[in-house]
Amino acid sequence: SQELEQSPQSLIVQEGKNLTINCTSSKTLYGLYWYKQKYGEGLIFLMMLQKGGEEKSHEKITAKLDEKKQQSSLHITASQPSHAGIYLCGASLYNQGGKLIFGQGTELSVKP
Amino acid sequence: ETGVTQSPTHLIKTRGQQVTLRCSSQSGHNTVSWYQQALGQGPQFIFQYYREEENGRGNFPPRFSGLQFPNYSSELNVNALELDDSALYLCASSSPEGQGALEQFFGPGTRLTVL
Repeated sequence: SQELEQSPQSLIVQEGKNLTINCTSSKTLYGLYWYKQKYGEGLIFLMMLQKGGEEKSHEKITAKLDEKKQQSSLHITASQPSHAGIYLCGASLYNQGGKLIFGQGTELSVKP
Repeated sequence: ETGVTQSPTHLIKTRGQQVTLRCSSQSGHNTVSWYQQALGQGPQFIFQYYREEENGRGNFPPRFSGLQFPNYSSELNVNALELDDSALYLCASSSPEGQGALEQFFGPGTRLTVL
């Protein structure tokens, strides 16, 4: 079974619209990471969250981690074509060192 | 500051062959992790190296092996290649200094195709 579930699997939005991607774990997370990936390329680090209730923003992207540290959301405001790509949430679990587990990714398309 | 680099970019091998992939970690980082990403999937953890020692391994067979060198660069070796080994191989570097979860920065990946 998938330890980290992402939803939706794919998303098509009109430019200028807001969107949210969710990431859920059945276990308490030590760290939660958001990455962006262009098809076939490496992962671009967006943000890392570690504290329950933590929220971070960078430009038009905001990521939140719930108090229980089992759910995270990534919110993009006023989407642009440059936001298109695959968004991956990754997580580290307690006592598992630097190993990251990943969700399956959310493919975002932004229509001009 | 130099980012994570990987070589080669692409590689085509035939079943049964052996392959070596290389990774140079970000300046100042002494921990390297390797991941396998099949098409349409999230990356899967293969193993991690910290100061030249293996420091955790995922659910991969022993024909996947690695090395880390004194300059913290790393190699991933795969023996007896199988068709299912076709994937994007990613390395990530981090520094465990300080407390808390580690920020991990990924390289551009090596696309391996096994025919």
